Amino acid sequence: QQQVKQSPQSLIVQKGGIPIINCAYENTAFDYFPWYQQFPGKGPALLIAIRPDVSEKKEGRFTISFNKSAKQFSLHIMDSQPGDSATYFCAATGGSEKLVFGKGMKLTVNP
Amino acid sequence: KAGVTQTPRYLIKTRGQQVTLSCSPISGHRSVSWYQQTPGQGLQFLFEYFSETQRNKGNFPGRFSGRQFSNSRSEMNVSTLELGDSALYLCASTPLAGGPGTGELFFGEGSRLTVL
Repeated sequence: QQQVKQSPQSLIVQKGGIPIINCAYENTAFDYFPWYQQFPGKGPALLIAIRPDVSEKKEGRFTISFNKSAKQFSLHIMDSQPGDSATYFCAATGGSEKLVFGKGMKLTVNP
Repeated sequence: KAGVTQTPRYLIKTRGQQVTLSCSPISGHRSVSWYQQTPGQGLQFLFEYFSETQRNKGNFPGRFSGRQFSNSRSEMNVSTLELGDSALYLCASTPLAGGPGTGELFFGEGSRLTVL
């Protein structure tokens, strides 16, 4: 049972484009929603995170939008760069529960 | 400050063998989690340890086990290896007593296991 569903599985955009990654969750007890970025040969690293008390959070070119009633959240990458090419994972958890990840999305940003 | 260190980085085993992977968390971090990463399933939670106690366990068979030592270092073991166990095994630590749900997980670069 996939507790966090992520789409699309892969995406190719041109430099300057705005890739959007969508995630949906089932468990209403989830209250922490991080996004992790993983480059080839490296472990994932925290990119940005949000809690349900806000609908949007922005850090640099990365923005999370959160829709609590729809149980959905998404990551937007503004003015994408070739260096943003990586695999992106959304995740969710509640309190001391395990952190569950989506299956990941491989982003390619062409120059 | 050194990051999460995992050893070995690469290993090849044959079916039926067993393997032990090691993880040294960031100094001061007491919570250690293990994840299995495969192309088809993404990151799947194996287990989490805090102060030498397993606090959470994922949906993996009993062939997968782990432990944590008093210095927070952790090991995971997979016995009777199957072809499907080929994966990248990632260890992550966090300084927060609340565990992975309360803050950032710091991942190591993983141990890539190939089962032939």
